[in-house]
Amino acid sequence: GAGVSQSPRYKVAKRGQDVALRCDPISGHVSLFWYQQALGQGPEFLTYFQNEAQLDKSGLPSDRFFAERPEGSVSTLKIQRTQQEDSAVYLCASRVGAADTQYFGPGTRLTVL
Amino acid sequence: AQKVTQAQTEISVVEKEDVTLDCVYETRDTTYYLFWYKQPPSGELVFLIRRNSFDEQNEISGRYSWNFQKSTSSFNFTITASQVVDSAVYFCALSEKGGSNYKLTFGKGTLLTVNP
Repeated sequence: GAGVSQSPRYKVAKRGQDVALRCDPISGHVSLFWYQQALGQGPEFLTYFQNEAQLDKSGLPSDRFFAERPEGSVSTLKIQRTQQEDSAVYLCASRVGAADTQYFGPGTRLTVL
Repeated sequence: AQKVTQAQTEISVVEKEDVTLDCVYETRDTTYYLFWYKQPPSGELVFLIRRNSFDEQNEISGRYSWNFQKSTSSFNFTITASQVVDSAVYFCALSEKGGSNYKLTFGKGTLLTVNP
């Protein structure tokens, strides 16, 4: 079975550009998470979906960050008007049920110039 | 307040040595889970082990073992007979039940370098 996939793996954006990062969770996994990992740090929670419902977006750093999962499968994290401080690795994870183990994708490394 | 503390920033060992990675956590929940993940240079977080708050039995899985002690809020991880391929950043993580959807809170990680 395929794991969590993310695309693109690398993204370079000029400051002020909009970017969209995609996550394909493991088939059948109800829950989906986005995390942001700054260089040399542990991942930090951004947002959480259960099916298509976004139940927690408390970790999104600003209103420039937006996430969706319209059909309860693929998710997109969008960052508008990117800033240099947005440079990080964005990790997606999925799990079957509420207390189950989260499995991570390879991440998207975003560099904002 | 930091919920997961990994005091060791970097550890360097020689191949075949045993190495223990320390993790101290903080929670008010009685139901929670603890995890160790490995992040090799490729960047993907790889799940290693998981423990729930009601099970303090320590186990061994291959070259991995862990020591979970609720009394000291510690969840230490040991690699026996380390190998060069074990070189990676290791993260300890906590997920709590209390209104947090069991999202993961990570420590800052420990960089393990195993030298041949």
